[in-house]
Amino acid sequence: KAGVTQTPRYLIKTRGQQVTLSCSPISGHRSVSWYQQTPGQGLQFLFEYFSETQRNKGNFPGRFSGRQFSNSRSEMNVSTLELGDSALYLCASSLGGLEGTEAFFGQGTRLTVV
Amino acid sequence: AQSVTQPDIHITVSEGASLELRCNYSYGATPYLFWYVQSPGQGLQLLLKYFSGDTLVQGIKGFEAEFKRSQSSFNLRKPSVHWSDAAEYFCAVGAPEYGNKLVFGAGTILRVKS
Repeated sequence: KAGVTQTPRYLIKTRGQQVTLSCSPISGHRSVSWYQQTPGQGLQFLFEYFSETQRNKGNFPGRFSGRQFSNSRSEMNVSTLELGDSALYLCASSLGGLEGTEAFFGQGTRLTVV
Repeated sequence: AQSVTQPDIHITVSEGASLELRCNYSYGATPYLFWYVQSPGQGLQLLLKYFSGDTLVQGIKGFEAEFKRSQSSFNLRKPSVHWSDAAEYFCAVGAPEYGNKLVFGAGTILRVKS
């Protein structure tokens, strides 16, 4: 079955612009989580969506937002981009139950802010 | 809150030698534990997971890990390393009250000498 698909793979944006990243989870998975990966801070949790509702949120400013659609696809948006937002953004898909399920990651979107 | 420590930033082993990557976690109860591997510019691939039960878990690519509650550890092992194992390895912890949020360690970069 198809894995987690993230689009686009690469993006270059200018400071002050906004950007939208997309994630299509594995079929049947209802939970989508987003992570930011940078050399300095490592992998940091942004937020999780389950059944179109944000279930969990990390410690990121309000410029970072997300949403999930009825087909479980998710988007994250970053407004007023800063140079420090340059990172690999990873999406993880899981069944979503709280009893413990494994997360499958996409290839990521590499965002460069210039 | 959960936290994860991977004490070794870099490890170099010879091809064919055994490998152990260390992971210590902080969490009040029994967490969910994972090891992921990442090749440069790629997403994360799940190697193995522990939710409950047998404390020695087998994963893909010949990896195994042992959960030791008394030491709050979940070390990754492989009896004989192959050159293709060179990558970055991440230990992660989850917990039922946090949905599917994962907290990652800083990662260990594995270099394999031929």
